[in-house]
Amino acid sequence: AQKITQTQPGMFVQEKEAVTLDCTYDTSDPSYGLFWYKQPSSGEMIFLIYQGSYDQQNATEGRYSLNFQKARKSANLVISASQLGDSAMYFCAMREANTGNQFYFGTGTSLTVIP
Amino acid sequence: DADVTQTPRNRITKTGKRIMLECSQTKGHDRMYWYRQDPGLGLRLIYYSFDVKDINKGEISDGYSVSRQAQAKFSLSLESAIPNQTALYFCATSDLKGGPGANVLTFGAGSRLTVL
Repeated sequence: AQKITQTQPGMFVQEKEAVTLDCTYDTSDPSYGLFWYKQPSSGEMIFLIYQGSYDQQNATEGRYSLNFQKARKSANLVISASQLGDSAMYFCAMREANTGNQFYFGTGTSLTVIP
Repeated sequence: DADVTQTPRNRITKTGKRIMLECSQTKGHDRMYWYRQDPGLGLRLIYYSFDVKDINKGEISDGYSVSRQAQAKFSLSLESAIPNQTALYFCATSDLKGGPGANVLTFGAGSRLTVL
């Protein structure tokens, strides 16, 4: 079974609007971390936001927030006030404690911001 | 200078050639990883190392080998390259010090390998 599932291969959003990128995960480990990375067309991987499995509050970093729904095993990324520079691939990832803290990645969502 | 440096950034080679991708880091992290990225498949783990004496296979280790020469250096080798190893390769580091929130993967800029 896939550890991380991203069901949206491509998304479009109007500039200045908010957009939600979906991510679901599969684990039986009570201790895990969830991450989002951005990959612009230049290719580098940029860390955006982290959510721990024991964190009570949803993580936020500037215009990024992580909508963490533990019972549903979802960790959606919300980008508010989209900018043209947000156009990129976005990857959801999970680190599990019981697999030696390996990181598992989803297949990514390509976001295009329309002027 | 980048925290995680990969060389070469781009390489074109022929089937059957031996290729080495090198990675060095200045973050002082114990853990180093090699990932492969293919379109539509995300990032897949090839090998990882939690310290100099610890090397572990990842999801897709066949056809690859690694060497952890020092805490700061982790190289990936393709002993006999084949065309389906054409991909973007990433080295990454992480560290558990500082608590779970500090355990973020820091990536190099990537090495684009083309095998003809």
